[in-house]
Amino acid sequence: AQRVTQPEKLLSVFKGAPVELKCNYSYSGSPELFWYVQYSRQRLQLLLRHISRESIKGFTADLNKGETSFHLKKPFAQEEDSAMYYCALRTGANNLFFGTGTRLTVIP
Amino acid sequence: EAGVTQFPSHSVIEKGQTVTLRCDPISGHDNLYWYRRVMGKEIKFLLHFVKESKQDESGMPNNRFLAERTGGTYSTLKVQPAELEDSGVYFCASSQDLRGTVYGYTFGSGTRLTVV
Repeated sequence: AQRVTQPEKLLSVFKGAPVELKCNYSYSGSPELFWYVQYSRQRLQLLLRHISRESIKGFTADLNKGETSFHLKKPFAQEEDSAMYYCALRTGANNLFFGTGTRLTVIP
Repeated sequence: EAGVTQFPSHSVIEKGQTVTLRCDPISGHDNLYWYRRVMGKEIKFLLHFVKESKQDESGMPNNRFLAERTGGTYSTLKVQPAELEDSGVYFCASSQDLRGTVYGYTFGSGTRLTVV
């Protein structure tokens, strides 16, 4: 069965420090992975998707099929990065499977 | 362009009552999705409309939940009768392309439902 695991519910880092939000998935087929973010008092929005191989707001994520991971990374965290981050997986169907989310707090 | 609109933003009802949630997708988005986040758990898929047709309703928890999308525009999600475990945040999302691959889904701000 499909599953997305985000092992950290809470993550705090200092401003300027590197940040890595972990995401592991289980799916036997070819996955599509996404990161969604929800800033305070804002709606859930797409941050990036693995097929684009893009960097958004300094964040990158590489799909590692061997380790079934899609960790989100940023070399230098900023205060405005504080938010709730959700990793999501799509399989053959059109719906998304979400992880439980990680709340990132960047300490000034 | 206007985003995905959901209302009410909050609803508190008693167990056994009926509640109807509404979602207005982005104009022109044929694909409309309902998701739910129960406290402390992951956001879970409920169902997917393509225009007025239910493409996938495999995530609907039971027959107390009824979703409609008459005319392929806005959608309603009715819970009747509501139970305590139905409490959570209900999200609606829409996408232009079928799989939301190109632009991703656009989410509404959610309806927080509390059943007491």
